[in-house]
Amino acid sequence: DAMVIQNPRYQVTQFGKPVTLSCSQTLNHNVMYWYQQKSSQAPKLLFHYYDKDFNNEADTPDNFQSRRPNTSFCFLDIRSPGLGDAAMYLCATSAQEEGAYEQYFGPGTRLTVT
Amino acid sequence: GQNIDQPTEMTATEGAIVQINCTYQTSGFNGLFWYQQHAGEAPTFLSYNVLDGLEEKGRFSSFLSRSKGYSYLLLKELQMKDSASYLCASKDSNYQLIWGAGTKLIIKP
Repeated sequence: DAMVIQNPRYQVTQFGKPVTLSCSQTLNHNVMYWYQQKSSQAPKLLFHYYDKDFNNEADTPDNFQSRRPNTSFCFLDIRSPGLGDAAMYLCATSAQEEGAYEQYFGPGTRLTVT
Repeated sequence: GQNIDQPTEMTATEGAIVQINCTYQTSGFNGLFWYQQHAGEAPTFLSYNVLDGLEEKGRFSSFLSRSKGYSYLLLKELQMKDSASYLCASKDSNYQLIWGAGTKLIIKP
C-alpha cells in the first residue's frame, strides 16, 4: 500500500542534544510538509518542499532545519532541542499544492525532551 | 490576519446527528478541508469543498458558504468510533492550509 512512513514513532532526547526525525513516502508526491502539533492545538507548518524547492515558514525557529535528498525522503533536524520543542511532529505529502489535492499524513513522531 | 474558529469540544449521543461548525478568514481561498484525528494519531482526510453547497459522503456531509466564510461537518448515525477531533482547514492564496485547533467530539452511549 502506498503510504507515508515516519521513524521513529517515539523519540526521547536530552535538552540540547541534536535529533533527526525521518519521513519517507511511496506515493511519489511532489510536495512534502513538516508540521509540529502540540496537544489540543492546530498543526503548525514548519517547512514544505515542492519537489526540491524549499519553503521555510517565517516563524519557524532557526533551531529547526530540513533536508529532502530525493523525492521519497525528508528529514527534520532539531539542532538544540528545548523543553518547548516537545510535541508530535507530523510529515505529510500532497501530489500538488493547489486545488483539491489533500494532504496524506504519516503516523507522526512524538518527541519528548528531558 | 488568518483565522479559523471552531468549537473546542462537543458531546453527542450514539446514533444521533451532530453538526460541527467552522468559520474562516484567510488571505485568498482555495478550498475548505475537514480532517479527522483520533487521539495520538495523524489526521486523516474527510472532505473538501470549494463551491457553495453540500457534499455528501456516506454518514458524513460537509457544507460551505463562501460568502459567509462558513462551513460545517455533519455526522449522522454516530458511532463510538467517531469520537475524535475534527479539524477544519482553509487553503489560502499560497495553497497552504490554515488549520483550526480542532473540535473534540465525545460520543456517549
